[in-house]
Amino acid sequence: AQSVTQLGSHVSVSEGALVLLRCNYSSSVPPYLFWYVQYPNQGLQLLLKYTTGATLVKGINGFEAEFKKSETSFHLTKPSAHMSDAAEYFCAVSPGANNLFFGTGTRLTVIP
Amino acid sequence: DARVTQTPRHKVTEMGQEVTMRCQPILGHNTVFWYRQTMMQGLELLAYFRNRAPLDDSGMPKDRFSAEMPDATLATLKIQPSEPRDSAVYFCASGLGAGYNNEQFFGPGTRLTVL
Repeated sequence: AQSVTQLGSHVSVSEGALVLLRCNYSSSVPPYLFWYVQYPNQGLQLLLKYTTGATLVKGINGFEAEFKKSETSFHLTKPSAHMSDAAEYFCAVSPGANNLFFGTGTRLTVIP
Repeated sequence: DARVTQTPRHKVTEMGQEVTMRCQPILGHNTVFWYRQTMMQGLELLAYFRNRAPLDDSGMPKDRFSAEMPDATLATLKIQPSEPRDSAVYFCASGLGAGYNNEQFFGPGTRLTVL
């Protein structure tokens, strides 16, 4: 069975501080892993994805995530938060079939 | 700039009325998904299609919801009769399927309010 756990439904950071959003997954097969971002009143946009190869994946807007198989984790980071990063972030896993299984989301607040 | 489009963007209706939401997937995409997003339940998969055929609609209340793809450029989600608990944002997403890592491209959503 596939599932995604996002630790922390709300995360607040100061502008310029490190952003760390946690995601752990379970999958019965080697997974594809995704992070999506949702800005207010918009649909989800792909931030980055891991399929195969390099375990450190770089995405848009300065975000990156590292696939750690031993920890079944795919945490999202950004060295320095910007006000425009305030949004909801969703981690998702695909077991290689058609579906994506989404986590419950983490709302990021950036404090000026 | 290819993108998924959804109409209407907002819909307010009264309980018992029929609601139809439309989605135009990105040209060439062969998989289409319908999701519902609420504060309480988060993002829920309702149904999805591949090559216009329904593959899974187990997330959808069968008695009042129906999803179809009349052609490759149009997907519809209907609710009849609508109820206040159906109030949510409904997203359509499209993709190229497993051969392309299952990446999904989301539309802007239809915000439905049932009074």
